[in-house]
Amino acid sequence: SQELEQSPQSLIVQEGKNLTINCTSSKTLYGLYWYKQKYGEGLIFLMMLQKGGEEKSHEKITAKLDEKKQQSSLHITASQPSHAGIYLCGADITGNQFYFGTGTSLTVIP
Amino acid sequence: NAGVTQTPKFRILKIGQSMTLQCTQDMNHNYMYWYRQDPGMGLKLIYYSVGAGITDKGEVPNGYNVSRSTTEDFPLRLELAAPSQTSVYFCASSYLQGANGYTFGSGTRLTVV
Repeated sequence: SQELEQSPQSLIVQEGKNLTINCTSSKTLYGLYWYKQKYGEGLIFLMMLQKGGEEKSHEKITAKLDEKKQQSSLHITASQPSHAGIYLCGADITGNQFYFGTGTSLTVIP
Repeated sequence: NAGVTQTPKFRILKIGQSMTLQCTQDMNHNYMYWYRQDPGMGLKLIYYSVGAGITDKGEVPNGYNVSRSTTEDFPLRLELAAPSQTSVYFCASSYLQGANGYTFGSGTRLTVV
């Protein structure tokens, strides 16, 4: 079983379109992290959310952790080809082990 | 400041061969981790270490060994390579577990034939 479920698994959007990626846990999240991975490269830390209802933005990417701290969404506004890659959420669910989501592959068509 | 350095970047092994994946960090991080990434499966934790001399198993430790003799280095050893170990391996480090995210190496793409 997967501790963190991401949806959708893959996404193809036209440049300029908005999109949302979701990360869902069956348990309370003790900190939720979003990473971006360019194909064949390592992961780059995007942002961290800890408090229920917390929302953070970086350039055109906004992430939010819901009030119950069991789901997070990543929203990209006016997508660009540079946004293409694999987005992974990560979280400390049990209090002593970190888990990653299954990843969402994003393709942005110019 | 190099961050997390992994070597090699690519390797092809024959079944039954052994090898060591190297990982070094220069950020004085206490925590270090080894993950494998399989297509559609996300990242799975192999082993982790909370400090020099201390290691522990993650989700998928079978077929691997690690050591942590220094704060900087956390090598991953494959003793008898199997096709099921074909994957991309990532080393990561953090100052505290999960705090401020992890810093990842660029990965090692391993193929066992």
